Amino acid sequence: QQQVKQSPQSLIVQKGGISIINCAYENTAFDYFPWYQQFPGKGPALLIAIRPDVSEKKEGRFTISFNKSAKQFSLHIMDSQPGDSATYFCAARGWAAGNKLTFGGGTRVLVKP
Amino acid sequence: EAGVTQFPSHSVIEKGQTVTLRCDPISGHDNLYWYRRVMGKEIKFLLHFVKESKQDESGMPNNRFLAERTGGTYSTLKVQPAELEDSGVYFCASSHPSGGYNEQFFGPGTRLTVL
Repeated sequence: QQQVKQSPQSLIVQKGGISIINCAYENTAFDYFPWYQQFPGKGPALLIAIRPDVSEKKEGRFTISFNKSAKQFSLHIMDSQPGDSATYFCAARGWAAGNKLTFGGGTRVLVKP
Repeated sequence: EAGVTQFPSHSVIEKGQTVTLRCDPISGHDNLYWYRRVMGKEIKFLLHFVKESKQDESGMPNNRFLAERTGGTYSTLKVQPAELEDSGVYFCASSHPSGGYNEQFFGPGTRLTVL
């Protein structure tokens, strides 16, 4: 049973457009929600993260929106650039669970110039 | 500062053979994690070391997998004997020992193919 569900599996966006990736979780014990970015041949790298006591966090062109009641969170990439083409993973972590990450299935984003 | 390194980057073995993957965490990181991504699915947790002790091995699929962390430094993950379903990318991550939500830094992964 997948505890974090991520959609879409892939998306194509034009340069300058907005990329939106959605995740939903089931375990209410999760209390930290990071997003990881992975380029081919590299490991996942932390992009941005949010705690459930805030509804939105923005870092540059990347924004996380968090809806605690719906148990959903999303990543918005504004003004998407070809260099943003990568696989994005949402994840969740619960302090009581010893900091292990539970990942979504990943979204492959392609930004066309 | 060097990042997390993993060796080998790729391994192709036959079913029934043994393979050992190695991970060198960032210096000073007491926490070391192993994860696996199989066939484009989600990255799944395997186990967590704190120094040389196994803190959580709830994600280990079965007793064909053996993880060790000698002296609390590098870690090895041995698969013996390997089965077809073990194919995937094995990631190692490490994090700082202090409390709180410390970022996990991932290595580039080892792509294992079992034929």
